[in-house]
Parts: sequence; C-alpha cells; structure tokens
Amino acid sequence: QSVLTQPPSVSGAPGQRVTISCTGSSSNIGASYDVHWYQQLPGTAPKLLIYGNSNRPSGVPDRFSGSKSGTSASLAISGLQAEDEADYYCQSYDSSLGWVFGGGTKLTVL
Amino acid sequence: QITLKESGPTLVKPTQTLTLTCTFSGFSLSTSGVGVGWIRQPPGKALEWLALIYWDDDKRYSPSLKSRLTITKDTSKNQVVLTMTNMDPVDTATYYCARRSSSWSNFDYWGQGTLVTVSS
Repeated sequence: QSVLTQPPSVSGAPGQRVTISCTGSSSNIGASYDVHWYQQLPGTAPKLLIYGNSNRPSGVPDRFSGSKSGTSASLAISGLQAEDEADYYCQSYDSSLGWVFGGGTKLTVL
Repeated sequence: QITLKESGPTLVKPTQTLTLTCTFSGFSLSTSGVGVGWIRQPPGKALEWLALIYWDDDKRYSPSLKSRLTITKDTSKNQVVLTMTNMDPVDTATYYCARRSSSWSNFDYWGQGTLVTVSS
C-alpha cells in the first residue's frame, strides 16, 4: 500500500482531457513538500514529467500540467494522444519515510 | 548528457546479499545538492524508494528496509553501490538508480533498470 494514493486507472478518447489525482497526508504533501510526476511507458524507466508541482522539464509538451492544493495534487493531460498511454506516478517527500511514490495510474487512450 | 546505468547479478538465491552498481556520467557527485538514489519496482507493481546518498556522503534509507541496506559512493569512479542483505523472493524487482536533482526533491535522470530475480 503506497503512501500516496492514486486511482489505479483512468481512460479517455483522443483529444480529450483527463486528470490523475494524488492524495497524501500532513507528513508529505500537506507539509508543503513538492509533488513530482513521472511517466513510465511500457517496458521503460520512469521519466520526469512535472517537477515542483507544476513545472515541465524541457521537452515535455504543454499538454501536461500539474497542480497542488492542501494534501493533494493533480496531473492533467489535455489533447490526449495515443502515445500518452502509460503509467503515471506521483512522488513527494515524507518527513518520516523519505521519498515516497504513489501506487501508479494506468492511462488508457480509447 | 547525463546517463546512469545499473549493473549486477540478474539472479540471486534467497538469503544471499545483492550488490548493485550504478555507473553514471555527465554530472559529478561532488557537486553541492546532488544525490544518487535507488528505486525498485516489482513486476507489475509500483515504484519504491530504497536509499539515497548525497554529495557530502549523507546517506538516507527507507525505514522499512534500513537494516538490510548499505549505500556507498566512489566519486572518482562515478559510481554508487547498493548492497541488500538477506534477499527474499519478494525482493524480485527491477532496480533503478536515479539522480536526485540538486534543486528539487525529485529524480530527474534514471538508469534503464536491471531486473533482479530471487530464486533458489
């Protein structure tokens, strides 16, 4: 059971917008630690997608956006494309546990 | 260009000790704020952080695995080594090393990962 809670799966049609939630607690997200998001394509290593709650590394399309509020964070993907089909993980820091990840969300593009 | 690559055995027996090496390039582990961590992922499951070592040799471990883990660095060789004792079949996973960003508490570059199977 992961410290950060994500929905196991989400889906959307090409062109649509989907959001993935990440819920933590007062010892991690709620303690003002930043949230980061990773994309893991099938059979590959995770790739940093969003850092510092809402920042995109160079090369990440602006279709991807992140936000944080209270003890939760969200990743939004607009203009869904087939290539976005992947697993998505949120990550933060916990004052007791160190670096913590969510359980992952599988995005299916219908 | 920053790269990291994990190396080590693909198969270990239960109770044995696993030793994994992360060899990196494109950055220095003597730069202030930089760290290298290890994260694992059992087949079909989520990511789990294991350990991290900072540029100043500060070491952090997952509380649940702390008694079994040791992380060290060789700055001159650009390598970080993780040892995990008393391996069990539940430790079967892909093990990744990744660079901890100097500015954020995230992992900005990852190795390709190495699958370690624990079986007799």
